[in-house]
Amino acid sequence: EPEVTQTPSHQVTQMGQEVILRCVPISNHLYFYWYRQILGQKVEFLVSFYNNEISEKSEIFDDQFSVERPDGSNFTLKIRSTKLEDSAMYFCASSQREAWGNEQFFGPGTRLTVL
Amino acid sequence: AQSVTQLDSHVSVSEGTPVLLRCNYSSSYSPSLFWYVQHPNKGLQLLLKYTSAATLVKGINGFEAEFKKSETSFHLTKPSAHMSDAAEYFCVVSDNSGAGSYQLTFGKGTKLSVIP
Repeated sequence: EPEVTQTPSHQVTQMGQEVILRCVPISNHLYFYWYRQILGQKVEFLVSFYNNEISEKSEIFDDQFSVERPDGSNFTLKIRSTKLEDSAMYFCASSQREAWGNEQFFGPGTRLTVL
Repeated sequence: AQSVTQLDSHVSVSEGTPVLLRCNYSSSYSPSLFWYVQHPNKGLQLLLKYTSAATLVKGINGFEAEFKKSETSFHLTKPSAHMSDAAEYFCVVSDNSGAGSYQLTFGKGTKLSVIP
């Protein structure tokens, strides 16, 4: 069964450093998402991406964040200058359609630790 | 605006007994509602979804949920718990605002423990 994959599973970085989290969505999906979950808190929406541009973003997704689909398979989240409060589990998701009620398929997550 | 409240952060049941995980939602529009499950070191897997068809929704692994608009609830149930059901469960809402927003809003999650 096709699945969303994410690398690395755990990333440790120093405050102020740039990190890139990578995702490979399901191959025939067209809509891509990033969510994050700070320890003990809810999973929060960050951004959605379609047709090589951001379709929606939350207040969390400020200028420090960017997303890219550099080739036909990868979908990346970049944090330019990490802060301690960026420490969280980051989930990538993809869906076939941006239709109401459409299922989003999630990856296993990348745990980001900022020291 | 949409929100989800999962009423229990942790539920513990004995194997073979019923499971009830509670969820209340708030939505300004006709919502879609989902239950996702996360096993350790795994991604979030869809258990079931409600999208305005039948109010009683059946999902995988014997789970079902009933949409009750009057109570704004979408509780998850299973008649008989199995050890493999031990995981974290998330109630999720997406509202049909018509503004092209299909972001999912998650509850805080309920950790289900199953005692042998």
